[in-house]
Amino acid sequence: EVQLVEFGGGLVQPGGSLRLSCAASGFTFSDYSMNWVRQAPGKGLEWISYIRNDGSSKYYGDSVRGRFNISRDDAKNTAFLQMNGLRAEDTAIYYCVREGLGASYSQYWGQGTLVTVSS
Amino acid sequence: DIVMTQSPDSLAVSLGERATINCKSSQSVLYSSNNKNYLAWYQQKPGQPPKLLIYWASTRESGIPDRFSGSGSGTDFTLTISSLQAEDVAVYYCQQYYSTVYTFGQGTKLEIK
Repeated sequence: EVQLVEFGGGLVQPGGSLRLSCAASGFTFSDYSMNWVRQAPGKGLEWISYIRNDGSSKYYGDSVRGRFNISRDDAKNTAFLQMNGLRAEDTAIYYCVREGLGASYSQYWGQGTLVTVSS
Repeated sequence: DIVMTQSPDSLAVSLGERATINCKSSQSVLYSSNNKNYLAWYQQKPGQPPKLLIYWASTRESGIPDRFSGSGSGTDFTLTISSLQAEDVAVYYCQQYYSTVYTFGQGTKLEIK
């Protein structure tokens, strides 16, 4: 069974940093590209970042480019999202998402971790 | 970035009736080399993460009831629920994965009339 479990959310002050982790199990992690998608309270879904299965390509949404960095550790079956320069508008549930094999639709989603940016 | 626009924003349908949600992309998401539309549909129930329903615009994910179907090509797509069940109450999102910046529609809230 595919499982994705996010860690690292919490309350952080504006301008601060946070590192999210996504622990994956139930599949060969190195075969799959991973994404992070967020959802502000009561709002819709916003894709924010992608990392290719081999780590060779990374993409970011306009709202986070230059502040967030996605990475992965295949030995630990874990994806990461380093978030710097956090703003109030970054407050959201952050979902770790696994793509389909060789295809970029979001096949499996974690339960999400809440990040709150507030003073 | 490709902008995805869903209609309507909300929809109320009687149990057993058909529900139709539309999604329009600001540019084509049909990849000519493989003739595939890079369009997916998701269902999100309150307090839960989204769930993949449809990919390649019309391929149903494993385990999804056949009352859910997707259609369309290029820039115009439709998600149809042929006979609405109570458990289908949710918000539905389309997403394009054609470009390297994936984008979602704003969501359509489906309720029981």
